[in-house]
Amino acid sequence: DAGVIQSPRHEVTEMGQEVTLRCKPISGHDYLFWYRQTMMRGLELLIYFNNNVPIDDSGMPEDRFSAKMPNASFSTLKIQPSEPRDSAVYFCASSLGPQGGSPLHFGNGTRLTVT
Amino acid sequence: KQEVTQIPAALSVPEGENLVLNCSFTDSAIYNLQWFRQDPGKGLTSLLLIQSSQREQTSGRLNASLDKSSGRSTLYIAASQPGDSATYLCAVISSNTGKLIFGQGTTLQVKP
Repeated sequence: DAGVIQSPRHEVTEMGQEVTLRCKPISGHDYLFWYRQTMMRGLELLIYFNNNVPIDDSGMPEDRFSAKMPNASFSTLKIQPSEPRDSAVYFCASSLGPQGGSPLHFGNGTRLTVT
Repeated sequence: KQEVTQIPAALSVPEGENLVLNCSFTDSAIYNLQWFRQDPGKGLTSLLLIQSSQREQTSGRLNASLDKSSGRSTLYIAASQPGDSATYLCAVISSNTGKLIFGQGTTLQVKP
């Protein structure tokens, strides 16, 4: 099993540009989570899906952020337009059950820098 | 609102020492508590999961305890090795929100 796969590993973009982060969860995992990690705020849950359906998006900071899961093997997190304060490491994670019900498997993250 | 605190923020020990990392949470209404390890430039790896009805879990040289009533957990690492150097995070599932709330982590350095 290749684990959770995220792309790109690094993204540098200018303010105002659209950014799309991608995630392939572990096959068979029904839950997919997007987290953001910064030095100031630590790890924050942005949104999670169950069986491709968004369940809780209350962590999405503003309307500039959107996430989709068109099928069980692919999810995207989009920021449009991007701002310097969006700079962070974005993690995707998947699991067999709800958060904490079974272990979370994290990808290696996408380090986003917005200049 | 559930808050998770980890002390110390950083710790440096010589190889071979036994050590304890601390985690505290403000709301005892939790489903479970998990300890994770994060290596630089990597995602998090789940180490131990303690259900709210349990007192401790063990895996190899790691032992995690949970005292829900006092809002505390400890991660004990026996006979530390340089390969244990990483950031260790604890997280709780809040019974009220169902969300996994993370602490800020303790960065451990084990010197050869």
